Amino acid sequence: DVQLVQSGGGLVQPGGSLRLSCVASGFTFRSYEMIWVRQAPGKGLEWISYIFTSGSTTHYADSVKGRFTISRDNAKNSLYLQMNSLRAEDTAVYYCARGLSATTWYTLGFWGQGTPVTVSS
Amino acid sequence: SYEVTQPPSVSVSPGQTASIPCSGDKLGEKYVCWYQKKPGQSPVLVIYQDTKRPSGIPERFSGSNSGNVATLTVSGTQAMDEADYYCQAWDGSSTYVIFGGGTKLTVL
Repeated sequence: DVQLVQSGGGLVQPGGSLRLSCVASGFTFRSYEMIWVRQAPGKGLEWISYIFTSGSTTHYADSVKGRFTISRDNAKNSLYLQMNSLRAEDTAVYYCARGLSATTWYTLGFWGQGTPVTVSS
Repeated sequence: SYEVTQPPSVSVSPGQTASIPCSGDKLGEKYVCWYQKKPGQSPVLVIYQDTKRPSGIPERFSGSNSGNVATLTVSGTQAMDEADYYCQAWDGSSTYVIFGGGTKLTVL
């Protein structure tokens, strides 16, 4: 079975940093483009970052560009989100996600369990 | 930047049909997915590529996309279908997707 298991969330002060992890199993991780999505309290879903299979191409929402970095280690079947210069408005539940197939990355059929991030002093 | 718009809420009686619209400029030229989101749970893909249902999704969920509007239809709505529903658009080449603001479906 496809599984995406997340870790790394928590409480951090404004201006601080956190690194989220997403460990994949049950499929050939290196063949799938991956993304991160978040949901702030009382708000909707927001796409925040994309990474190509090899890691050679990445893309960020304007809201996190220059502060967040997506990366992957295909040898470890792992996806990461390094979050720096965190702001209160980054408080959200963060999800990693994968497409239904290797050729349809945008059909987010598999999701991690979500990890909460709270930015507060 | 491109945007898609959903009504904040839709109500339906049990057993009736609920329709949730998602509107955007020339949305019919894009690929649309729909997600069900319940509190404390991860989103669930219920419709992809406008009209297709993933394995395990009940047949009462269906989708359409034409012109400027995509629609998620839930036929014979059940209490368990009460949730937030999000449309998502992809233009066929970009490395990002756009989510609508979400619609709360209430089964009265």
